[in-house]
Amino acid sequence: KQEVTQIPAALSVPEGENLVLNCSFTDSAIYNLQWFRQDPGKGLTSLLLIQSSQREQTSGRLNASLDKSSGRSTLYIAASQPGDSATYLCAADSGSARQLTFGSGTQLTVLP
Amino acid sequence: NAGVTQTPKFQVLKTGQSMTLQCAQDMNHEYMSWYRQDPGMGLRLIHYSVGAGITDQGEVPNGYNVSRSTTEDFPLRLLSAAPSQTSVYFCASSYSRRPLFHYGYTFGSGTRLTVV
Repeated sequence: KQEVTQIPAALSVPEGENLVLNCSFTDSAIYNLQWFRQDPGKGLTSLLLIQSSQREQTSGRLNASLDKSSGRSTLYIAASQPGDSATYLCAADSGSARQLTFGSGTQLTVLP
Repeated sequence: NAGVTQTPKFQVLKTGQSMTLQCAQDMNHEYMSWYRQDPGMGLRLIHYSVGAGITDQGEVPNGYNVSRSTTEDFPLRLLSAAPSQTSVYFCASSYSRRPLFHYGYTFGSGTRLTVV
């Protein structure tokens, strides 16, 4: 059974810092790995998708990497802004049911 | 705008009542699924469908029923609501065939359900 872990559970940084969010998964037989953002009381917004054959994806100030052999993905946020404050979730797409297995998230607070 | 639409956004039920959460997508996605999100438990798969007429159980299917009569719609039925079903429910869709499913999932904005 796939298990996904995110570290840290919460992170508070001053505006302008570069930061790294970590995601690890136990079963490397994934189709892809997706990073989402969730604002309080809101739905999930897809940030980046990394296919199993890719090593990284970039969108603006966000960069996500994938190392299947070690079961790890990282989300790098450059020059953080208060508007980046949210919970960040990673999810591994795997299994015959193509079940998305989610981590418990990292709650990010960027202080002005 | 193309996407996944969930209704209602909020609902309060009494124990024992039944209701249907609606989910519709206009992206011609074959794959649709329902998740529930609970504090400390993360998001868990309830039911999923790989196409019209085909449904299957996920991790936490008890107390829920689904059907898929069209590609666009995937309603979730609560048969007899219980307080343990208080949660936020998300519908998600994706392409189901390689290589298109590598585009990932699109989520709806959620239904916040309270059972009293």
